[in-house]
Amino acid sequence: GAGVSQTPSNKVTEKGKYVELRCDPISGHTALYWYRQSLGQGPEFLIYFQGTGAADDSGLPNDRFFAVRPEGSVSTLKIQRTERGDSAVYLCASSSSGRAGETQYFGPGTRLLVL
Amino acid sequence: DAKTTQPTSMDCAEGRAANLPCNHSTISGNEYVYWYRQIHSQGPQYIIHGLKNNETNEMASLIITEDRKSSTLILPHATLRDTAVYYCIVSGDYGGSQGNLIFGKGTKLSVKP
Repeated sequence: GAGVSQTPSNKVTEKGKYVELRCDPISGHTALYWYRQSLGQGPEFLIYFQGTGAADDSGLPNDRFFAVRPEGSVSTLKIQRTERGDSAVYLCASSSSGRAGETQYFGPGTRLLVL
Repeated sequence: DAKTTQPTSMDCAEGRAANLPCNHSTISGNEYVYWYRQIHSQGPQYIIHGLKNNETNEMASLIITEDRKSSTLILPHATLRDTAVYYCIVSGDYGGSQGNLIFGKGTKLSVKP
């Protein structure tokens, strides 16, 4: 079956611009996670959705970052007024229901480069 | 911060078993041990996880010590395609919810011909 997909695979933008990154989770998965991975580091948590609601957004670095999941499936990560420090790989993962002991399945990521 | 400690890097000969250690001395009774790997420029790939008992699947085996303070991931017959960064993660049970995964820097495994 289809795994987690993310679009675009690569995004180049200029400092100050707005970007949207999309995540399509595995069909039927109610839990969705966003992570960010800088060069040479492990992924870092950004936000977790259970259904349509953000159950934990403690990892969002500042108020330029926002994410939505209006229908409980596809999610969009939105970054306003991008900065060069936002350059990273943005990863999305989903799991069946978010219960302890489940597996999070990751997408291929979106590579964001802010010039 | 990650609750696990792993060696920065390891080498393994092709066809031999790769044994990757992980220390998680502060693990709680309801926390699982997960292993993921990341091949260059790809998203993390799930390998295996366990709570108390040893686990085996088509990719690997997970050996958890009786006190649960450490574990070992075993790739029985390493191939060149197993070259990757391997992450050991402890993930809790927060009122029944998994919570986010906290990645450390992992172990860079290099499988050599």
